Amino acid sequence: EAAVTQSPRNKVTVTGGNVTLSCRQTNSHNYMYWYRQDTGHGLRLIHYSYGAGNLQIGDVPDGYKATRTTQEDFFLLLELASPSQTSLYFCASSKTGGNQAPLFGEGTRLSVL
Amino acid sequence: GEQVEQLPSILRVQEGSSASINCTYENSASNYFPWYKQEPGENPKLIIDIRSNMERKQTQGLIVLLDKKAKRFSLHITDTQPGDSAMYFCAASLSSGSWQLIFGSGTQLTVMP
Repeated sequence: EAAVTQSPRNKVTVTGGNVTLSCRQTNSHNYMYWYRQDTGHGLRLIHYSYGAGNLQIGDVPDGYKATRTTQEDFFLLLELASPSQTSLYFCASSKTGGNQAPLFGEGTRLSVL
Repeated sequence: GEQVEQLPSILRVQEGSSASINCTYENSASNYFPWYKQEPGENPKLIIDIRSNMERKQTQGLIVLLDKKAKRFSLHITDTQPGDSAMYFCAASLSSGSWQLIFGSGTQLTVMP
């Protein structure tokens, strides 16, 4: 069964802290995405990748880095976390790009104090 | 950047009635339009999608209409049940052939018994 697994599911850090969110998909999908979800804004794309070693910038990339180490693994890095980055983060994957609906992971709730 | 406008943001209907959610997009080259349902504490899940070569699609009590001339698409839920209560998101591909989806800001649907 197709799956996207995120870890951790919950994370609390302090302002200025260093956070890494992990995502693994076992669907042989080429595309992987990081979104953040905030009330009133829907789902906003942070970064995405279409293959190992590839990284593309989304709509709200400031303050975030990402790395795609393998076809399966995509990481989101917050090197100096700020309270404005408190949010619900979703990883997603799809076989192809914008003409296929991404499959979402379970989400990571991040609080930056 | 390009946006997808989704209305209404809050929708309350009586059980057994219909619910309609409307979205508009900016780029006439957009060619793929998925709809997601998100229940509390869960991830968004694809419920129906439509491509630009269609004007109407129906599945299991859901109807999607696409008006390319008006750059508008809509979701209609017939015979609503309490289990339909959730957040709904529309999305549109950024442009023809693009990898990226742009999401609306969501509609919180409540079906009242």
